[in-house]
Amino acid sequence: GAGVSQSPSNKVTEKGKDVELRCDPISGHTALYWYRQSLGQGLEFLIYFQGNSAPDKSGLPSDRFSAERTGGSVSTLTIQRTQQEDSAVYLCASSPLPYNEQFFGPGTRLTVL
Amino acid sequence: DQQVKQNSPSLSVQEGRISILNCDYTNSMFDYFLWYKKYPAEGPTFLISISSIKDKNEDGRFTVFLNKSAKHLSLHIVPSQPGDSAVYFCAARNQAGTALIFGKGTTLSVSS
Repeated sequence: GAGVSQSPSNKVTEKGKDVELRCDPISGHTALYWYRQSLGQGLEFLIYFQGNSAPDKSGLPSDRFSAERTGGSVSTLTIQRTQQEDSAVYLCASSPLPYNEQFFGPGTRLTVL
Repeated sequence: DQQVKQNSPSLSVQEGRISILNCDYTNSMFDYFLWYKKYPAEGPTFLISISSIKDKNEDGRFTVFLNKSAKHLSLHIVPSQPGDSAVYFCAARNQAGTALIFGKGTTLSVSS
C-alpha cells in the first residue's frame, strides 16, 4: 500500500516569501504529525492532528508557522515570511491511532536563501 | 534542554560484530521508547520499541534494553550487516502521546 507522501521533495525560496508544504497520510490513519530536522539535529515536533480534535500546536516555533488538515486527510504546513533559520527537512508522519508507531514520509527539504 | 540524548554521533563496526547504540533520557515519566532508522533522502522507518514495563524487547537481529533506574536504553544489532549502515534515532513518546521526542541520532557504519 501507499505510504506517506510529501510534496514538493525540495523547495528553494527567498527570504520573506511564504511556502506551503503538503502531506498525504496513509489512508485511514487518524493521527498526523509534522516534524522538522535542522542540520545536525534530531527531529523536532511541530504539530499534531487527531481526528476532529483541536490540534496540538505546542511545537510550532513562531506564529509564522501554521498547519491545516482538511477532511481528516491531507495536511498543509504553511510558513509565512520565511527566514534562513527555517531551512530544514520537514517531515510528516501518520499513525492509525494516536499511540501507535508513526510512519514517516520522505520529507520536504526547504532552503531559504 | 535535550530530553533524549544520543551522545555518540557516530559508530563504526565490522560486519558480523555487534553494534551497540546508546540513548539517555531525562524525564522519568516517559513510558514508551522507539528506535528509528533513517537512510539519506528518506523518512525515518520504525525499527523496534519498548514499553517501560519491560526491560528487554527482541526482534530478530535487533534487541532493545531499557534500564529505568539509569534512564538509559540501548539498541543491539547482532550480527551487524553493511545494509544496517544508517542514522539511528532514539525517541520517547511524550506523556500526552501526541508526539515523539527524538535524540540527534547516531550514524552507524558497518564495513564488510
